[in-house]
Amino acid sequence: KQEVTQIPAALSVPEGENLVLNCSFTDSAIYNLQWFRQDPGKGLTSLLLIQSSQREQTSGRLNASLDKSSGRSTLYIAASQPGDSATYLCAPENAGNMLTFGGGTRLMVKP
Amino acid sequence: DAGVIQSPRHEVTEMGQEVTLRCKPISGHNSLFWYRQTMMRGLELLIYFNNNVPIDDSGMPEDRFSAKMPNASFSTLKIQPSEPRDSAVYFCASSQRQTNTEAFFGQGTRLTVV
Repeated sequence: KQEVTQIPAALSVPEGENLVLNCSFTDSAIYNLQWFRQDPGKGLTSLLLIQSSQREQTSGRLNASLDKSSGRSTLYIAASQPGDSATYLCAPENAGNMLTFGGGTRLMVKP
Repeated sequence: DAGVIQSPRHEVTEMGQEVTLRCKPISGHNSLFWYRQTMMRGLELLIYFNNNVPIDDSGMPEDRFSAKMPNASFSTLKIQPSEPRDSAVYFCASSQRQTNTEAFFGQGTRLTVV
């Protein structure tokens, strides 16, 4: 059974900092891995999807990397802004289209 | 496309009552998922369908929970009878399996059982 761990559980940084969110998973037989953002009381918004054959994926100030063999992914956020404050969730996809979620990293970016 | 649409957005019901949550996936998506989110357990997969057929329901907590997908554009999750510990946010998500693309989530239904 896939188990996903996200570190840190919570993070508070001043605006402008570059930061890294970590995700580790136990079953490396994944098809892809998605990073999501969740604002309080809202649904999940997909940020990036990395295919199992890819090493990284970029969208704007976000860059996600994947090391499938070691069961790790990182989400890098450059020049953080208060609007980036949210919970970030990592979800590898295994056989059968099934996403398993980590507990998330709760990010607060202070102006 | 309007995205994944869930209804109702909020539901408050008394213990013992039947609750039905509804989901309309994105048109053209052939996989549909029901998740439950609580503070204690995070996001848990309850059941998923592929081409309207239930593939894995091992996450359904008890026989009180049932899900159906009568066609490609509609799914329901039913709880009967409901209990206070069922209080959570229930999310529906859909994806296009063949193209191995992203999963898209609805806004969720916040269920409170009193």
